[in-house]
Amino acid sequence: GQQVQQSPPASLVLQEGENAELQCTYSTTLNSMQWFYQRPGGRLVSLLYSPSWAEQRGGRLTSSAASNESRSSLHISSSQITDSGTYLCAMELSSGSWQLIFGSGTQLTVMP
Amino acid sequence: EAAVTQSPRSKVAVTGGKVTLSCHQTNNHDYMYWYRQDTGHGLRLIHYSYVADSTEKGDIPDGYKASRPSQENFSLILELASLSQTAVYFCASSERDRGQAQYFGPGTRLLVL
Repeated sequence: GQQVQQSPPASLVLQEGENAELQCTYSTTLNSMQWFYQRPGGRLVSLLYSPSWAEQRGGRLTSSAASNESRSSLHISSSQITDSGTYLCAMELSSGSWQLIFGSGTQLTVMP
Repeated sequence: EAAVTQSPRSKVAVTGGKVTLSCHQTNNHDYMYWYRQDTGHGLRLIHYSYVADSTEKGDIPDGYKASRPSQENFSLILELASLSQTAVYFCASSERDRGQAQYFGPGTRLLVL
């Protein structure tokens, strides 16, 4: 079935102020992409929603997609300690199903 | 932002018992969803609904039932809870059309003993 691979696959550690890039790759054509943020035990908070291949920006966050590479990226600029948490991507496929397929998440830790 | 609430926030259940998880949304969304999240994994879709009094199976429906008595409310029912159903359960909602962002509730942490 369709799978979403998220990288870094498990965790990423940064120093405060560094930039981060998280990626999701997928095996089929997608209709939209949504990036979520989750604290341990917390709800998923929608960060950015990208219909089709549109680049989206929100503060220090930018999501982009490369359809020819079947890849979507989330860029976090000037990371802050409060950015620490888990980031998940979710893809809506364009194969007739509207369902979201989630990546397994990347745990980001920003150190002072 | 969409308001989605869930109850209970956590629950301990015994194997073989019945568990009902409730979800309520106040944003007039047509679509509602139930997901489960296991440690180290993303979310997987259990059931969803696009209209009251109708539910559809998601990717992992076995062992779960769903009920949508109204547009605002969506329940997930475990008739015979099993150890493997220990997980965090999230409810979400979205507007009618495809390609709409989903908004999530705070989650329910279920422990089956």
